[in-house]
Amino acid sequence: LAKTTQPISMDSYEGQEVNITCSHNNIATNDYITWYQQFPSQGPRFIIQGYKTKVTNEVASLFIPADRKSSTLSLPRVSLSDTAVYYCLVLYNNNDMRFGAGTRLTVKP
Amino acid sequence: DAGVTQSPTHLIKTRGQQVTLRCSPKSGHDTVSWYQQALGQGPQFIFQYYEEEERQRGNFPDRFSGHQFPNYSSELNVNALLLGDSALYLCASSSYPQGGNTIYFGEGSWLTVV
Repeated sequence: LAKTTQPISMDSYEGQEVNITCSHNNIATNDYITWYQQFPSQGPRFIIQGYKTKVTNEVASLFIPADRKSSTLSLPRVSLSDTAVYYCLVLYNNNDMRFGAGTRLTVKP
Repeated sequence: DAGVTQSPTHLIKTRGQQVTLRCSPKSGHDTVSWYQQALGQGPQFIFQYYEEEERQRGNFPDRFSGHQFPNYSSELNVNALLLGDSALYLCASSSYPQGGNTIYFGEGSWLTVV
């Protein structure tokens, strides 16, 4: 059974770089990896999506090694407002969406 | 360009009642998925609709049913409500097939069953 796993929680300080890793076993050649941010009582907000190697946008980077069995979300210079739950979502077989349990990131001053 | 919109935002129902939640996908999207998110938990996949048909289903009982309309909007119906159905219900939209296409979520409908 395909499954995504990620750390339950992480702590960081303002201005630091944060890396959150997601493990996704049985990921297939055409499966995409997407990361979302969620604040309490709000819907998940899209951060970044990738398929292989490295993807970068204005808020984050996504690193995917050659075997694609894991991926790492990198948040540069986090601020207090980045305190949230971060979810790794793998699109198994292009349509089977399975969320990880989420990583609760706490950014401290 | 409106994103994914859901209604109502909050509602309270009594155990045994039925509820209907509504979702309008982001403009240009034809696929709608529904998730249930209990407090403190990750979203759990309920089902996905494309071309007005249920394409995939998660591990939810038949009390959970849905519909997609020709304009791609969707409804989630839950019958015989249980206290355990209290949760945030999220709608997500995308283009089909989803691989490589970004999936966007609405802000959710908070359902409280008393």
